[in-house]
Amino acid sequence: EIVLTQSPGTLSLSPGERATLSCRASQSVSSSYLAWYQQKPGQAPRLLIYGASSRATGIPDRFSGSGSGTDFTLTISRLEPEDFAVYYCQQYGSSPPITFGQGTKVEIK
Amino acid sequence: EVQLVESGGGLVQPGGSLRLSCAASGFTFSSYWMHWVRQAPGKGLVWVSRINSDGSSTSYADSVKGRFTISRDNAKNTLYLQMNSLRAEDTAVYYCAREDILTGCFDYWGQGTLVTVSS
Repeated sequence: EIVLTQSPGTLSLSPGERATLSCRASQSVSSSYLAWYQQKPGQAPRLLIYGASSRATGIPDRFSGSGSGTDFTLTISRLEPEDFAVYYCQQYGSSPPITFGQGTKVEIK
Repeated sequence: EVQLVESGGGLVQPGGSLRLSCAASGFTFSSYWMHWVRQAPGKGLVWVSRINSDGSSTSYADSVKGRFTISRDNAKNTLYLQMNSLRAEDTAVYYCAREDILTGCFDYWGQGTLVTVSS
């Protein structure tokens, strides 16, 4: 099973600032199969990034993903008020189980 | 518009059973692999199970293997999760999610249904 470890657990930032979220895998993940999701309280997760760096339909270009192997990053270039949420990385390429990171909460400072 | 609507959650005693449903609309349901993902209160996302497009192949997380059964009825555009021998640690919001054909990621999610296992 591939374990995904996200850091930091909580990121306290102000609107307009840059957010950098990390996702580290216990073994190499094909870049084609690394995704990021956003979840707001009481809502279902929403796909942001797939294939490590491709934005999903309708996702603003302030969201970007990068990385390969065991280290991946989600960057939000300038935080908007609606971006304060919890973010999860996911690997979905290997045989089951599909796994998620434990999440990073981006909160208003 | 793609829609996934879960139902069937509720309060059940330990050892009991429950069947969740996920009604799909707005896309050709029979062409897509589908998944169940759960989220315990205040916790993260955990993958539970998946089923291929025609229902001939299934996979499960170790934590539910032998107790949960995923199935689908493509004529009714509905995904199911039969949950038996429920435990307190199965308490969670259960989401169904569609797997994108090209990329393999989960491109659409339902709103979730809450399952509470308690005496």
